[in-house]
Amino acid sequence: EAGVVQSPRYKIIEKKQPVAFWCNPISGHNTLYWYRQNLGQGPELLIRYENEEAVDDSQLPKDRFSAERLKGVDSTLKIQPAELGDSAVYLCASSLLRGDGYTFGSGTRLTVV
Amino acid sequence: AQSVSQHNHHVILSEAASLELGCNYSYGGTVNLFWYVQYPGQHLQLLLKYFSGDPLVKGIKGFEAEFIKSKFSFNLRKPSVQWSDTAEYFCAVKGLTGGGNKLTFGTGTQLKVEL
Repeated sequence: EAGVVQSPRYKIIEKKQPVAFWCNPISGHNTLYWYRQNLGQGPELLIRYENEEAVDDSQLPKDRFSAERLKGVDSTLKIQPAELGDSAVYLCASSLLRGDGYTFGSGTRLTVV
Repeated sequence: AQSVSQHNHHVILSEAASLELGCNYSYGGTVNLFWYVQYPGQHLQLLLKYFSGDPLVKGIKGFEAEFIKSKFSFNLRKPSVQWSDTAEYFCAVKGLTGGGNKLTFGTGTQLKVEL
């Protein structure tokens, strides 16, 4: 089993530029999550998908962040435009629908300069 | 809303010392509780979890945690740490009543084990 695959691993961009992250969850996992982890903090949920539906996006800054999971499998998270404060590790996780175990990807470390 | 508090941000121990990391949660209903570990340069991995039944749960690598419902606590323990246990440890809670499938993490405890 390949696990949750995220790309890229690292990204450095200038502020005001757009950036996108990609996630491929574990096969068969209906639920997909995007978390943001700031330095020295625990991960914070940005958005949760059940299949292709975003069921919890209350913590997603919708003025600049967007996400999609069109076919209910892989997902992209986009920031446009990026700000200095967006520098963080963006984690993707997946689980079975209302399942107990989350599997996390390795994350994308974003640095905005 | 659910929340998690981890009391120790940084812990330094010598090899073979005993470990206890504190975790308290806030939630008014039934919960699932988790401890995750993040080794340097690696992704988050599940150490152990509590759903129901025996409040003392055992995980991988000799770790265990005890759920004390009256104290809203889920402390992580290990009798004798090793240098390879150096990592960051996160406690997490999932509320089961109206909380959906949302996992909320604490701020983490950075553990350093010295030889």
